[in-house]
Amino acid sequence: KQEVTQIPAALSVPEGENLVLNCSFTDSAIYNLQWFRQDPGKGLTSLLLIQSSQREQTSGRLNASLDKSSGRSTLYIAASQPGDSATYLCAVSKAAGNKLTFGGGTRVLVKP
Amino acid sequence: GAVVSQHPSRVICKSGTSVKIECRSLDFQATTMFWYRQFPKQSLMLMATSNEGSKATYEQGVEKDKFLINHASLTLSTLTVTSAHPEDSSFYICSARDRGSFSPLHFGNGTRLTVT
Repeated sequence: KQEVTQIPAALSVPEGENLVLNCSFTDSAIYNLQWFRQDPGKGLTSLLLIQSSQREQTSGRLNASLDKSSGRSTLYIAASQPGDSATYLCAVSKAAGNKLTFGGGTRVLVKP
Repeated sequence: GAVVSQHPSRVICKSGTSVKIECRSLDFQATTMFWYRQFPKQSLMLMATSNEGSKATYEQGVEKDKFLINHASLTLSTLTVTSAHPEDSSFYICSARDRGSFSPLHFGNGTRLTVT
């Protein structure tokens, strides 16, 4: 059974610092990995999707890396802003169109 | 981009009543939709996979007679919480993927259910 772990569970940084969020999964036979953002009481917004054959994806200040063999992904957020405060979730899929298995999330607070 | 609309966003009901939550894909067709449940400060747990025109597939431990799922069209799936109890109070989120594509899953904004 796939298990996804995110460390740390919570993170507080001053504005301008870079954020590093970690995600690990126990079964390396994944199809893709996705990073999401969730604001309190809201749904999920997809940030980055990495296919299993890819090593990284970038979007603006966000960069996600994937090391499938070691079961790890890292989300980097450069030059953090207070608006980046949210919970960040990673999730893996075993096959195309398949269900996602989520990690517990990392709650991020960026202090102005 | 693809949008998933979930309604209502918040509902309060009394114990014993039933509540229906709708999930619509607004600008794409979704043969499969997923229903998740999230308790406070916890991650999302998959409840069931909703397949258009067929029965839903429920995860282990999820009561299919309590959480009724109907996926009557390519753009609409509904989750009905029957005979709700206070322990059913939770945040329910649906998601959908554009049919035949490799696009990421798109999520609704969730429904906060409170059973009194």
